[in-house]
Amino acid sequence: SYEVTQPPSESVSPGQTATITCSGDVLTNQYVHWYQQRPGQAPIMVIYKDNERPSGISDRFSTSASGTRLTISGVQAEDEADYFCQSADISGTYPLFGGGTKLTVL
Amino acid sequence: VQLLESGGGLVQPGGSLRLSCVASGFTFNNTAMNWVRRAPGKGLEWVSAISFGGGNTFYADSVKGRFTVSRDNSKNTLFLEMNSLTVADTATYYCAKPPSSDLWGCFQHWGQGSLVIVSS
Repeated sequence: SYEVTQPPSESVSPGQTATITCSGDVLTNQYVHWYQQRPGQAPIMVIYKDNERPSGISDRFSTSASGTRLTISGVQAEDEADYFCQSADISGTYPLFGGGTKLTVL
Repeated sequence: VQLLESGGGLVQPGGSLRLSCVASGFTFNNTAMNWVRRAPGKGLEWVSAISFGGGNTFYADSVKGRFTVSRDNSKNTLFLEMNSLTVADTATYYCAKPPSSDLWGCFQHWGQGSLVIVSS
């Protein structure tokens, strides 16, 4: 089966830069998308198609060219959340989520 | 864009439940739709997808044969019929749509979620 892997947790001080990585064999052939989810809220898409930022999303969110590394610059307390990368199986039909990374702002 | 789920609740193991998602603010009948869930203490899990016309449906292995996705384009409504529920199906269920009708398998717009609890 196809898997997408993320570190379970990351921590960062306010004002610093947070980096969350996503890995998996399928990522070389499929787009990578990223979501932020705060407790008790619905997920928010922060990046799609590797590098595209939906309207209304801060430019503090960016990705590497491959889309597999999410960078949050100038981290703020409000960025504390779970972050999920998402791709698809080899056919592109079945979405796959990474296990999620809990970002803690110290 | 607005997605409003309903139909969640408490159900016993082996029971059934039907979720609904009423959509507005976009052309529902030309957009594929999805269900995604998050169980307590777990991550996001894609559950099911349906093509814009309803003719093609897709399921995660964990729900295949037990869940059925459908849509009524005349009422801008997405459904998820859930049968043979187990405690592992306890989760908040979200309906979700892609950023545009030409995209598949990513989710810009989400409902507020509908909580399903399977417990005796």
